[in-house]
Amino acid sequence: KQEVTQIPAALSVPEGENLVLNCSFTDSAIYNLQWFRQDPGKGLTSLLLIQSSQREQTSGRLNASLDKSSGRSTLYIAASQPGDSATYLCAVAGANNLFFGTGTRLTVIP
Amino acid sequence: EPEVTQTPSHQVTQMGQEVILRCVPISNHLYFYWYRQILGQKVEFLVSFYNNEISEKSEIFDDQFSVERPDGSNFTLKIRSTKLEDSAMYFCASRYDRLEGPYNEQFFGPGTRLTVL
Repeated sequence: KQEVTQIPAALSVPEGENLVLNCSFTDSAIYNLQWFRQDPGKGLTSLLLIQSSQREQTSGRLNASLDKSSGRSTLYIAASQPGDSATYLCAVAGANNLFFGTGTRLTVIP
Repeated sequence: EPEVTQTPSHQVTQMGQEVILRCVPISNHLYFYWYRQILGQKVEFLVSFYNNEISEKSEIFDDQFSVERPDGSNFTLKIRSTKLEDSAMYFCASRYDRLEGPYNEQFFGPGTRLTVL
């Protein structure tokens, strides 16, 4: 069964710093990988989707990479802002569902 | 931009009662899903639905749960006799087409927070 792990579980950085969130998965037979943002008590906001054939995707200050063979993805956030504070989830797509990680709770200190 | 909608946003019920959570997927999507997230835990898959039948379900999706697409637009999750441990955020999602990209993204609704007292 697919297992998705995110490290670190929590991260606190000063405003303006660049940071990297990590996601690993045990089964490389995936169709895509998505990064989501979740604010406390709220829903899931999709940030980036990387197809299994792609290596990276970029959106604004966010860049996500995918190394399917090693079962790893990273989410790079440039020039972090207090508004980036949230929990970041990665999810890998199997044939019939998404498998989610437990998330990284990011706090950006002004 | 098309989006998945869910109603209600918050439902409070007494233990043992039946609840129906409603979702309207994006109109041309063919695959539908329910996930749940217990407070402080990860998002977990419940069930996937395609061509008017369940295509996969998790261990969580036992006999107290059922799904239905009663018309051309709604997709519902019924919990027959709610338990305290059913309290969670329930997310509906839909997807358009084949698993190979580029139309394989799952789009999520805003969720229904279910509180069982």
